[in-house]
Amino acid sequence: KAGVTQTPRYLIKTRGQQVTLSCSPISGHRSVSWYQQTPGQGLQFLFEYFSETQRNKGNFPGRFSGRQFSNSRSEMNVSTLELGDSALYLCASSALQGRNTEAFFGQGTRLTVV
Amino acid sequence: SQQGEEDPQALSIQEGENATMNCSYKTSINNLQWYRQNSGRGLVHLILIRSNEREKHSGRLRVTLDTSKKSSSLLITASRAADTASYFCATPPTGTASKLTFGTGTRLQVTL
Repeated sequence: KAGVTQTPRYLIKTRGQQVTLSCSPISGHRSVSWYQQTPGQGLQFLFEYFSETQRNKGNFPGRFSGRQFSNSRSEMNVSTLELGDSALYLCASSALQGRNTEAFFGQGTRLTVV
Repeated sequence: SQQGEEDPQALSIQEGENATMNCSYKTSINNLQWYRQNSGRGLVHLILIRSNEREKHSGRLRVTLDTSKKSSSLLITASRAADTASYFCATPPTGTASKLTFGTGTRLQVTL
């Protein structure tokens, strides 16, 4: 079974631009979550999608948005990029069959804002 | 914000030794999970312990959970150089399944 796939792996953008990251979950998984990892703040939850609906949202500004498609693939978008948005963005999928379920993470997208 | 703290922040041991890392959390939980991350890559799930369990084993890993103290520990026995990584505990708050809150992580260095 293929794992969680994130594209692209690396990205360099300029301040003020926008960026879209993509995540393909494990086949059959309907929940996709996004996390931001920085040296200063650690791993922080961005949002979770399930069946194309946002179910949970972390404490991030509205510049961070996401969506999920009918095939469970998800995208996250960051508009008006700031230097502080430089981070490793991780996507996780889970089967969500009950509360005690593990999350499977992709390799992440390393975003650098210059 | 982080759910809790991990202790120590960094740990350096020799191959063959045991490594113990601790995690504290703040809110009620359904379970606690441990993940490993190699050098800025994705997270790999290691083990999940439910709130009604006190100890769990998986290969060379042993996890304990003390809900009264809101703490957990991860023991890696007979460490190998390949165990060099950062280790994170993560908890989904009660009532959620996928919104994981991570600890600050322990960087483990295993030398030959």
